[in-house]
Amino acid sequence: DAKTTQPPSMDCAEGRAANLPCNHSTISGNEYVYWYRQIHSQGPQYIIHGLKNNETNEMASLIITEDRKSSTLILPHATLRDTAVYYCIVVADSWGKLQFGAGTQVVVTP
Amino acid sequence: NAGVMQNPRHLVRRRGQEARLRCSPMKGHSHVYWYRQLPEEGLKFMVYLQKENIIDESGMPKERFSAEFPKEGPSILRIQQVVRGDSAAYFCASSPIHQGEITQYFGPGTRLLVL
Repeated sequence: DAKTTQPPSMDCAEGRAANLPCNHSTISGNEYVYWYRQIHSQGPQYIIHGLKNNETNEMASLIITEDRKSSTLILPHATLRDTAVYYCIVVADSWGKLQFGAGTQVVVTP
Repeated sequence: NAGVMQNPRHLVRRRGQEARLRCSPMKGHSHVYWYRQLPEEGLKFMVYLQKENIIDESGMPKERFSAEFPKEGPSILRIQQVVRGDSAAYFCASSPIHQGEITQYFGPGTRLLVL
């Protein structure tokens, strides 16, 4: 599976949009981009995933560049409860072993 | 629809004892994954199982660790003769039958402390 690069940390003001970047320049055509988050040592929580097209659900939006070498997770209105480590993971469509990197520590401040 | 369930949530063992961690996947899910998170470290894949089959155990330590997912009942991660270095959070995830996109849903974890 392709490796990903994320900034180690980000701050975001409550109520503002949080834009979390991820680089995956070696991604293959059959690999999906998944986003998970882990809130203070709880179990990782699935957020969203995509292959080529932009995706949106009740939690977030995922923007994937046309060349698929990078993506951005958007939390439209960050709340204090969104403080967590966010992981961008590239997964092949085989059986999906997740390889977690260091992620981005997002701190939402009042 | 209940999520992935793990028990116990906390487990304390003395060195040399056995630890058994249980994972009940989400309803309708037939694939189970175990991950370990050592203190101040990231999540690491351990093993992937389907009912009665181990598909990939490339992340399992070579000794003392075993996993099973029987036809009936929860998946079990078993650690024999625990040592202090086994102290960690163990997370289980489940996914439905694989058809391209595989989304894993995680349980709350079991915190193992070895004294």
